Amino acid sequence: EAQVTQNPRYLITVTGKKLTVTCSQNMNHEYMSWYRQDPGLGLRQIYYSMNVEVTDKGDVPEGYKVSRKEKRNFPLILESPSPNQTSLYFCASSLKYRGWTEAFFGQGTRLTVV
Amino acid sequence: GESVGLHLPTLSVQEGDNSIINCAYSNSASDYFIWYKQESGKGPQFIIDIRSNMDKRQGQRVTVLLNKTVKHLSLQIAATQPGDSAVYFCAENYGGSQGNLIFGKGTKLSVKP
Repeated sequence: EAQVTQNPRYLITVTGKKLTVTCSQNMNHEYMSWYRQDPGLGLRQIYYSMNVEVTDKGDVPEGYKVSRKEKRNFPLILESPSPNQTSLYFCASSLKYRGWTEAFFGQGTRLTVV
Repeated sequence: GESVGLHLPTLSVQEGDNSIINCAYSNSASDYFIWYKQESGKGPQFIIDIRSNMDKRQGQRVTVLLNKTVKHLSLQIAATQPGDSAVYFCAENYGGSQGNLIFGKGTKLSVKP
């Protein structure tokens, strides 16, 4: 089954404790990206990657890092989480980097930073 | 379609009626637009897309209309069903930004049985 898998689905952590949210897709998509979703603000892009070893900042990259060492995986790293990073995070993948012919989204990761 | 403050615009329709969800996009250079549906507790799901060289595209029970003059996008859902209840987002993609996708803030559709 074609899917984007995020882990964990729920995470509560403390300020400053490094964490990684994993994202994996099984569709051989070149394009992957991370979004955060906050009430009243919709989805905002954090980082995206057009292919292996190619990443770029989205609209709200501060406080986040990503890596794309393999095509299928695109982890999101919070080196020193802060409470303003409490949010719902989605990973997405697509076949084309321009046009988003059909993006597949993961189920989301709800992160709480206390 | 666009929200103000923390409150999502809400559209409430009777089952069987047609729904129209509107969205104003921001960049006149945007050349590709997508509508997504997000059900509670789930990630967004692709519904339909349209390129800027078109003004209308139809899918199964859904139609997207694009008015580039006023930078307006709409999603029409025919014979709305309870399963259509969700938050609907429009998204725009503009050339040169290598895949950056900008989402609107969403509209919540509630279908009354």
